[in-house]
Amino acid sequence: NAGVMQNPRHLVRRRGQEARLRCSPMKGHSHVYWYRQLPEEGLKFMVYLQKENIIDESGMPKERFSAEFPKEGPSILRIQQVVRGDSAAYFCASSPPSRSGDEQYFGPGTRLTVT
Amino acid sequence: GENVEQHPSTLSVQEGDSAVIKCTYSDSASNYFPWYKQELGKRPQLIIDIRSNVGEKKDQRIAVTLNKTAKHFSLHITETQPEDSAVYFCAARDNYGQNFVFGPGTRLSVLP
Repeated sequence: NAGVMQNPRHLVRRRGQEARLRCSPMKGHSHVYWYRQLPEEGLKFMVYLQKENIIDESGMPKERFSAEFPKEGPSILRIQQVVRGDSAAYFCASSPPSRSGDEQYFGPGTRLTVT
Repeated sequence: GENVEQHPSTLSVQEGDSAVIKCTYSDSASNYFPWYKQELGKRPQLIIDIRSNVGEKKDQRIAVTLNKTAKHFSLHITETQPEDSAVYFCAARDNYGQNFVFGPGTRLSVLP
């Protein structure tokens, strides 16, 4: 049973480019969460999605950031026109439908560097 | 919405001693409380969790206690070892929104 998968593991972008981060949840998990983490800091919640639905995006910046979790395929976190301040580790986590359990597991993260 | 506080922010203990990290939550509807360990450069790893219908849970050297009335829960690590050094995060999940709210983290250092 593969865990939560994220790719790429490392991503370098120049200012103004777009960054696409992918997350494949664990098998049987239908809930996906994205977090951002700066060095030496905590986990900052960004967005919580279920298949084809954004449940809570209260942590997402209003501009340049978007997320989706289509019926087929991985969840995508998209950052347009990246700036140096977007450099961080982005973690995805998944959990099963609430009737099946609560455990949330994290992927290995994508480390985004904006030059 | 839910708010989770965590104390202390840093904790140093001698190898073999016990470590205790405490979290408080605000929403009485929260019913699931996991703890994560994050080593440097790694992902957060779920180490233990507790549900609101249980007061205590133990797994080898780690245990979690929950006081629903006071709305706080604690992580206890006994016989600490250097490999326990990491940042520990608590979280709370409510039964309605089903989102997780994390505490700010505790950096634990176990000194040999």
